[in-house]
Amino acid sequence: DADVTQTPRNRITKTGKRIMLECSQTKGHDRMYWYRQDPGLGLRLIYYSFDVKDINKGEISDGYSVSRQAQAKFSLSLESAIPNQTALYFCATGVGDGGRMTDTQYFGPGTRLTVL
Amino acid sequence: GQQLNQSPQSMFIQEGEDVSMNCTSSSIFNTWLWYKQDPGEGPVLLIALYKAGELTSNGRLTAQFGITRKDSFLNISASIPSDVGIYFCAGREGNAGGTSYGKLTFGQGTILTVHP
Repeated sequence: DADVTQTPRNRITKTGKRIMLECSQTKGHDRMYWYRQDPGLGLRLIYYSFDVKDINKGEISDGYSVSRQAQAKFSLSLESAIPNQTALYFCATGVGDGGRMTDTQYFGPGTRLTVL
Repeated sequence: GQQLNQSPQSMFIQEGEDVSMNCTSSSIFNTWLWYKQDPGEGPVLLIALYKAGELTSNGRLTAQFGITRKDSFLNISASIPSDVGIYFCAGREGNAGGTSYGKLTFGQGTILTVHP
C-alpha cells in the first residue's frame, strides 16, 4: 500500500463549486504539505502543517483552505473553484526531527483537477 | 519571494548520452534536493545535499552543492530510457527554528526525453 494517498485522483468540476481534496498518510510523519503544479512553474506551496494544531499559509494560499483532521489526514478545499485553479495538486509529508530528515518530503501520487 | 531558476527547461537526448542540469537561487540555500517525477506520479527524492561543496552520487546520478550555496547541479551518466521524466531541484533557505525551516522552494523542472 502507498504511504501517501490522495483522493480523488482526477476531478472535473464547474466554476463556483466547492471541492475538497483528501490526503492520508501511513508514514507517521507530523508534517504535511499541499502543493500545486503548473507546467513551467514547478511546485508551489499552498499550505503546510507542522502538527495537528499548526496550520500555515504557503506562497499561494488565496482561494484555498485546509483542515488537519488528524496527524494522518490533511485536506485541501477550494471554496469556490475558478478555472485558473486547474492544476495538478500534490500532498507531501515530512519528518520534523530538527535534523537533516526535516528537509526530505515524500509526495503522494497527485490529484488532477479541472475547473470548467 | 525566493527565486529558483532551473535549466534547461527540456532536453532531448540519445540513450547512452550524459545529461547535466542546474539550479541557481537568488539567495543562499542551506539544503539542496533533487527529485524526479515520473508521468502520473508524485516527485521522488533522488539526492540530498547539506553542505557547500558536497558531491554526492546515487548510481548513475551525481549532484553537487555549489560553493557559493546559491547553485546546484545534477548529472546523469549513460542515460537509459527509464530516465525519462521531470527533474526538480528544491532548496531550503532557513536554519533550524526559523520560519522557513522545513519549507522547500522548487525549481520549474527539467523535462528529460531519452530516445532509444
